[in-house]
Amino acid sequence: QVQLQESGPGLVKPSQTLSLTCTVSGDSIINGYYYWSWIRQPAGKGLEYIGRLYTSGNTDYNPSLKSRVTISMDTSKNLFFLNLTSVSAADTAVYYCARDYGDYEFALKTWGQGTMVTVSS
Amino acid sequence: EMVMTQSPATLSASPGERATLSCRASQSLSSNLAWYQQRPGQAPRLLIYFASVRATGVPARFSGSESGTEFTLTISSLQSEDFAVYYCQQYNNWPFTFGQGTKLEIK
Repeated sequence: QVQLQESGPGLVKPSQTLSLTCTVSGDSIINGYYYWSWIRQPAGKGLEYIGRLYTSGNTDYNPSLKSRVTISMDTSKNLFFLNLTSVSAADTAVYYCARDYGDYEFALKTWGQGTMVTVSS
Repeated sequence: EMVMTQSPATLSASPGERATLSCRASQSLSSNLAWYQQRPGQAPRLLIYFASVRATGVPARFSGSESGTEFTLTISSLQSEDFAVYYCQQYNNWPFTFGQGTKLEIK
């Protein structure tokens, strides 16, 4: 059973780059036909889809963040990553990594526990 | 961007009662809609996908339905662990978007 775990700095300064890692266990990141995603949630608010990475390496980014977002993977370490540049207080949120059902069923079946990131000087 | 509108924002109900949560899409979704449950301090949990298919391990008291661009999550008999926030999400058009959530609280 696949499990996901987010990690990274809990505090990032404004204008700097937020970098998070999602560690995948229980399955290889290149097995099957899955999208590996990042979603965020500001405190007390709803969910926002940041972007996703296909097993092949193709990516989709939310247009609202596209100029600042990069999602990538390290297949040798079974990790995928989120980089968000030029952060501001508006980027303060809990960040989740997730995997869909696979085989082009895009509902998010498996989630990490989330990691809180605060943008502050 | 497709807008998902959930109603009501808050629903008060008692254990054992039936709860009906609604989600409206601004465009057709071809059934590409999911429902998630989020308890405080936890990640969302997938309940329903493709509008009406229960995810693995989800109790049968949870059901989903659709009528055009209107989607419904029904909980047939509320248990104490069901009081949480529920989100719908469309995955028919990129960027995939979530509704603003319905908080199901104990009356």
